[in-house]
Amino acid sequence: QKEVEQNSGPLSVPEGAIASLNCTYSDRGSQSFFWYRQYSGKSPELIMFIYSNGDKEDGRFTAQLNKASQYVSLLIRDSQPSDSATYLCAVNIPNTDKLIFGTGTRLQVFP
Amino acid sequence: GAGVSQTPSNKVTEKGKYVELRCDPISGHTALYWYRQSLGQGPEFLIYFQGTGAADDSGLPNDRFFAVRPEGSVSTLKIQRTERGDSAVYLCASSPYGGETDTQYFGPGTRLTVL
Repeated sequence: QKEVEQNSGPLSVPEGAIASLNCTYSDRGSQSFFWYRQYSGKSPELIMFIYSNGDKEDGRFTAQLNKASQYVSLLIRDSQPSDSATYLCAVNIPNTDKLIFGTGTRLQVFP
Repeated sequence: GAGVSQTPSNKVTEKGKYVELRCDPISGHTALYWYRQSLGQGPEFLIYFQGTGAADDSGLPNDRFFAVRPEGSVSTLKIQRTERGDSAVYLCASSPYGGETDTQYFGPGTRLTVL
């Protein structure tokens, strides 16, 4: 069983729409959750991190965490073609400094 | 300020050869991580340094892989007797202190191709 699961996509949304990216994780003890954006051929870039249940907003991005259901999501409002990338969900392994990454969801925003 | 840098950006080698990949973390960051990313996959943890010591090397796939960070700054990942399956992008990341809530900042990666 994979420890961090993401739908590989592609998720296609029109410009201006809300893109919803989901991630589930298996270890109930995980406390920290990160969303990274990775453009093709580039390295991951941090978009959001969250460690409390509920929502965290930063500009057009909102991270949502539900520890009881073991999922974390990323909402991108007013999607732009420049948001087209792979979004990686990363979850910390409890009592370590290690992150486990999902395989990523490829997002395509079309004009 | 300067981000994480990695050299070389690309490395092509032949099966059986030895390679070294270098990572220069963000100045002042005590924690340094090495990951490997294959096509279509997320980064896979290899090793974590806190200062000069390897705090966790549980992700190294076998004893052909070794990493050092002798002065607590620059790190080198060393791969002996390379195999075609070692081909991947090797990513380095650093964070200010380590710890579960510390953000890891990634370098541009080294693309290793083993022929």
